[in-house]
Amino acid sequence: GGIITQTPKFLIGQEGQKLTLKCQQNFNHDTMYWYRQDSGKGLRLIYYSITENDLQKGDLSEGYDASREKKSSFSLTVTSAQKNEMAVFLCASSIRQGNERLFFGHGTKLSVL
Amino acid sequence: LAKTTQPPSMEAYEGQEVNVSCSHTNIATSEYIYWYRQVPHQGPQFIIQGYKDYVVNEVASLFISADRKLSTLSLPWVSLRDAAVYYCIVTPRTQVVGQLTFGSGTRLQVYA
Repeated sequence: GGIITQTPKFLIGQEGQKLTLKCQQNFNHDTMYWYRQDSGKGLRLIYYSITENDLQKGDLSEGYDASREKKSSFSLTVTSAQKNEMAVFLCASSIRQGNERLFFGHGTKLSVL
Repeated sequence: LAKTTQPPSMEAYEGQEVNVSCSHTNIATSEYIYWYRQVPHQGPQFIIQGYKDYVVNEVASLFISADRKLSTLSLPWVSLRDAAVYYCIVTPRTQVVGQLTFGSGTRLQVYA
C-alpha cells in the first residue's frame, strides 16, 4: 500500500500572506488533486494534475496557484490569505486519469488571523 | 450531470445494519455511482462503486434500483468506527478526471 502525506498539518497565516501547502504520494499515481473543505460542507476542487508539470483548474482555482514539478509531489499556494479564513485543504491521488477511486491525505487545516 | 439527494443524518446503535439511501433521478447511462466516507480529521475514503444491480465488497454492499434512480449503501453490523459522513457521488466514468463532486453527504452517528 501507499500513503499520501500532507504538510503541514496545521497552518496559521496572516491576512495577505502567501502560504504554501505540500503533498507527497508514494502510490506512483499519475493524477493528483487539491480540494478545499469548509466546515460541515462538501469538497470543492481547486486544481488537479494528470501528470508531472501538468496543471488543470478546478471550480475554485481563483486565489490559488499549484505546482507539480515531480510525479510524487503536488503543492498548492494560497496567493493572498483572506482574514478569518478557515478551511481544510485535502490532497488526493488516483492511479490515472478517469479513475474515480481517489486516495486522500489527512488534510492541512488553515487558519488566517 | 446527475444531482444526488441523501438524508442529512442518520443514527444507529452498534451491531445494527444501516442503509444509507441516495436518490439520483437524472442519472445518465454513462454515469456510475461511487460511495465515499469521511471520519473526522481525515480525508474521504473510497467504499464501493457500481453501475447496476448489486455490488458487494469486504466493507459494504451497494444495491442499485432497476431504473438506477436510487442506490442504497448497506453497512452490516456497524461499530463506533463507522461513524462518519457518507458521500454518494454520480459521475461518468469517462469524465475528465477530478470532476468528482462531493455534496454535503449523510452524517451517520453510532451509539454504543
